[in-house]
Amino acid sequence: ETGVTQSPTHLIKTRGQQVTLRCSSQSGHNTVSWYQQALGQGPQFIFQYYREEENGRGNFPPRFSGLQFPNYSSELNVNALELDDSALYLCASSSAGGGSTDTQYFGPGTRLTVL
Amino acid sequence: AQKITQTQPGMFVQEKEAVTLDCTYDTSDPSYGLFWYKQPSSGEMIFLIYQGSYDQQNATEGRYSLNFQKARKSANLVISASQLGDSAMYFCAMSPYNTGKLIFGQGTTLQVKP
Repeated sequence: ETGVTQSPTHLIKTRGQQVTLRCSSQSGHNTVSWYQQALGQGPQFIFQYYREEENGRGNFPPRFSGLQFPNYSSELNVNALELDDSALYLCASSSAGGGSTDTQYFGPGTRLTVL
Repeated sequence: AQKITQTQPGMFVQEKEAVTLDCTYDTSDPSYGLFWYKQPSSGEMIFLIYQGSYDQQNATEGRYSLNFQKARKSANLVISASQLGDSAMYFCAMSPYNTGKLIFGQGTTLQVKP
């Protein structure tokens, strides 16, 4: 069974640029969630996708957007990058549409640095 | 407001001893899930244990157990027989009813001494 994978591992961008991060969910999972983790902090929920539809969104501006594909993989897009967007971006997959009993399994993360 | 509080920024434990990591939560939902994750320096978040708000028994997974006290709104993680590989950051998280999201605490750094 393949776990959650993310690409790229590291990324360096400059302020104002756009970035796309990718996530492949664990086999059998139909739900993908994205989190932003600033240095020394706990992860913050960005949004969740369930069967290709957005299924909840955290307190992030519209320049953070996402997609989920028919194979349940997902992309996180961030436009007009700001210095504060520098963080570890974690993707998690789960199998039950994000209910309170739904265990989320995380990928290794993408570390984004904005200069 | 729904919130997770971890009051121990850092903890030390001797190898082979047990350690308790504290977690309190705040929610008015009748149904919620509580989770603990381990994050080594590599960055990946590793699922350890889950407790449902209606579960009568405390959850256990190998050396990990969750001391769930619903009235006190606490969900402490107990690691028995600590190993050097347990050195990591530990996060407590809550999944409120039907929101799809995990709310994380600030984390506790655990260092296991040989």
